[in-house]
Formats: sequence, structure tokens, C-alpha cells
Amino acid sequence: DTEVTQTPKHLVMGMTNKKSLKCEQHMGHRAMYWYKQKAKKPPELMFVYSYEKLSINESVPSRFSPECPNSSLLNLHLHALQPEDSALYLCASSQLGGTDTGELFFGEGSRLTVL
Amino acid sequence: AQSVTQLDSQVPVFEEAPVELRCNYSSSVSVYLFWYVQYPNQGLQLLLKYLSGSTLVESINGFEAEFNKSQTSFHLRKPSVHISDTAEYFCAVRRSGGSNYKLTFGKGTLLTVNP
Repeated sequence: DTEVTQTPKHLVMGMTNKKSLKCEQHMGHRAMYWYKQKAKKPPELMFVYSYEKLSINESVPSRFSPECPNSSLLNLHLHALQPEDSALYLCASSQLGGTDTGELFFGEGSRLTVL
Repeated sequence: AQSVTQLDSQVPVFEEAPVELRCNYSSSVSVYLFWYVQYPNQGLQLLLKYLSGSTLVESINGFEAEFNKSQTSFHLRKPSVHISDTAEYFCAVRRSGGSNYKLTFGKGTLLTVNP
């Protein structure tokens, strides 16, 4: 299994809603990532978890709250978002340490629209 | 810190023509280099990578890239493109080894293959 699975594929929410994006991988990877991608732009790193601990937060607003319940799961909790937060949210995973082959494996993304 | 410059934002070519997508990087430390491809409404897929060893790396679908340390480049080439190669291509760099898992992307090159 070399897949990163993201749900939902599409999400529409209002500015007062609370929703979550979910990501799952079963490749035994111990690093997991959230990226945000606006149209016609490269992905921008938001968060990195290594060994289930938050290791990088790229100064992301607190209305985005990541969670890593275990080594296979990564969530992104959304609350009080703004229309400018509408984007494709990509989850990725990678190996760590001596088994590190360098690359990130990406999911298909969750396309978020904030009304 | 690392940075990536993709010199062309758009590259239109005709089917069966050769193509080169240019990528230059900047880093004060050793790096891993990657090319990712993103088809419309999809996530990112790894096309090929350079970690170490042979400076010429190839993908299974006919693309190749050559790592040139003196010119700090990692250009992507294909001798004959197909309509199905139409996509956004991202060059990316990551510090090799250590515990920094941040992948830095270039701005992307949209390859459009016309019949």
C-alpha cells in the first residue's frame, strides 16, 4: 500500500462552521505533513509531524489546528475560517531516519471552499 | 535555507517534440532534488529524484533529469512528449540528512502539449 488517503475530497463550509480534514497512510511513515495550495501556485507547507509530535508550524493561524492521533492518522481541524482560506489542502507522508528515501508521498487533496 | 527557481512558468509544445523544463536551486548544504507532476484536480506525484550517485536520473515514462552541481541545476527533459504529459511540473529541494524535512517547491511550470 503506497497511498495517502484524504477525506473528504471536497468540503464547503461557512465561516462559523467547525469541520475536519482527515489523512491516513499505512506505509509505516513517521513524518506527516499538511500543505496548502492555492490555484496556479506551488504547495505551501503548514505543519510537519515527526514521530507524532508537531515539529514544524509555519506560523499558521490558530483557526487551523492539526492533530496526529497515531502514526497513521493526521487531522486538520478547521474553525472560523475566512474565504481566503479556500484552497486545496494536501497531506503527505515520508520516512524518517535511516530509511529515509527523501521523497514525500502526497494524497489527492481536499478541496475546501469557505463561503 | 534552500530556494528553487523554475525559469519558465509556461511551456507550450507540440506532440512528439522534445521539451526541457528548467530548474535551478540555491543551497549552502547538500540537498535532495525532486520533480513532482500535478495533473488537473489531482495531488502531486513524484516523477523522479536525485539523492546521490549517478547525476542522470530517469523516470518510467521517459522523463530524465540531470543534476549539475556546478551550475546548481536539475533540468527535466523528455525527447518526445505526449498529449497526456500536459500537467504542472514542480521542482523541489530538501536538505539531505538531518532532521529538516521541509520540502521547498519552485513556482511550477505548466507544460501544455498540443496536437
